[in-house]
Amino acid sequence: NAGVTQTPKFQVLKTGQSMTLQCAQDMNHEYMSWYRQDPGMGLRLIHYSVGAGITDQGEVPNGYNVSRSTTEDFPLRLLSAAPSQTSVYFCASKTQGSGSYEQYFGPGTRLTVT
Amino acid sequence: AQSVTQLDSHVSVSEGTPVLLRCNYSSSYSPSLFWYVQHPNKGLQLLLKYTSAATLVKGINGFEAEFKKSETSFHLTKPSAHMSDAAEYFCVVSDSGGYQKVTFGTGTKLQVIP
Repeated sequence: NAGVTQTPKFQVLKTGQSMTLQCAQDMNHEYMSWYRQDPGMGLRLIHYSVGAGITDQGEVPNGYNVSRSTTEDFPLRLLSAAPSQTSVYFCASKTQGSGSYEQYFGPGTRLTVT
Repeated sequence: AQSVTQLDSHVSVSEGTPVLLRCNYSSSYSPSLFWYVQHPNKGLQLLLKYTSAATLVKGINGFEAEFKKSETSFHLTKPSAHMSDAAEYFCVVSDSGGYQKVTFGTGTKLQVIP
């Protein structure tokens, strides 16, 4: 199993550009989520999904879009990048049905917006 | 609403001395609690989890944590610090109900002095 994969690993964008961060998992997990990590703030939830076709907002959703057309994939779209979106982004997945299941994290995408 | 408070943003210990990383939580449901570790420029790895079984939970690399409902705490301990323990540690709470929303603490950076 590859686990949770994320592409790209690094990205530099100019203000106003759009892009999609890719996330895929091969563990048949229903629950997938996107976090951003900023110094001193831990990981903050952007969006999450509990299955194909079902998504919801997390703590910091503004400026980001998601969709979930398959169980495996959960892309994160930046509509018009801003310097405030410079961060490290982590995708995670877990089995749905109980809060006791741990999340599995991808390696992260380091995004810089200039 | 749920929340997690990690009481120390930085902890410094000498190699061979005990480690204590403090975490308090609040949750409307019976929570599951986790500790994750992140080494520099790496992804997140699960150390241990509490899921309403034994209140003393043992994890990897000699770490353990005790769930104390009366104190709403889930502190992480290790009897003897090793240089390889230097990392950032995150306490995480997950609700058992609803969509099992996951909330991260802001992290504690552990420094181990030789």
